[in-house]
Amino acid sequence: AQSVSQHNHHVILSEAASLELGCNYSYGGTVNLFWYVQYPGQHLQLLLKYFSGDPLVKGIKGFEAEFIKSKFSFNLRKPSVQWSDTAEYFCAVNIDTGRRALTFGSGTRLQVQP
Amino acid sequence: DSGVTQTPKHLITATGQRVTLRCSPRSGDLSVYWYQQSLDQGLQFLIQYYNGEERAKGNILERFSAQQFPDLHSELNLSSLELGDSALYFCASSVGIQETQYFGPGTRLLVL
Repeated sequence: AQSVSQHNHHVILSEAASLELGCNYSYGGTVNLFWYVQYPGQHLQLLLKYFSGDPLVKGIKGFEAEFIKSKFSFNLRKPSVQWSDTAEYFCAVNIDTGRRALTFGSGTRLQVQP
Repeated sequence: DSGVTQTPKHLITATGQRVTLRCSPRSGDLSVYWYQQSLDQGLQFLIQYYNGEERAKGNILERFSAQQFPDLHSELNLSSLELGDSALYFCASSVGIQETQYFGPGTRLLVL
């Protein structure tokens, strides 16, 4: 079964700092990759997704992620974070065949200090 | 607002009881997924329905069951509740089986 690892559990940054959150998955076949964000007290919102094509995908709110197949990674980046980016970020994967349910990583809590 | 609605928002109940959580998918979405989010287990997939039929099962306990009705709304039934069932239960929907899932606001269940 596939699994997803997010190694950064809690990240604290100052406003305007650059962000990179790591995500690695374990599955040798074709995958679809997602980043979701959960603001305090709110539901999961889709930030961006990768199905195929250009491995550098751009999402909402200035976020982007790069799919590196050889490294089984899908890291999330933002060049300059804002206080409003304080939230929990989840990487998720589903495989291209069979069950389409998402397998989530454990999440990274991002705290942006003004 | 994702277009997925869930009721109730909060639910407090006692051990041994049974509750029903409801989900209405986005207009046009045929697939509904249920997930459980807890502090110790994280976000886990429970079960998926597609156009009224069960499509896939994840880490769903035998005490839990779900169904999707002809109008495509879904209900998750949790019975013989235990303290450890306290969690946030999310519903997600997608157009088909392969498309992006959009999440509802969740139902926070507290079992006392």
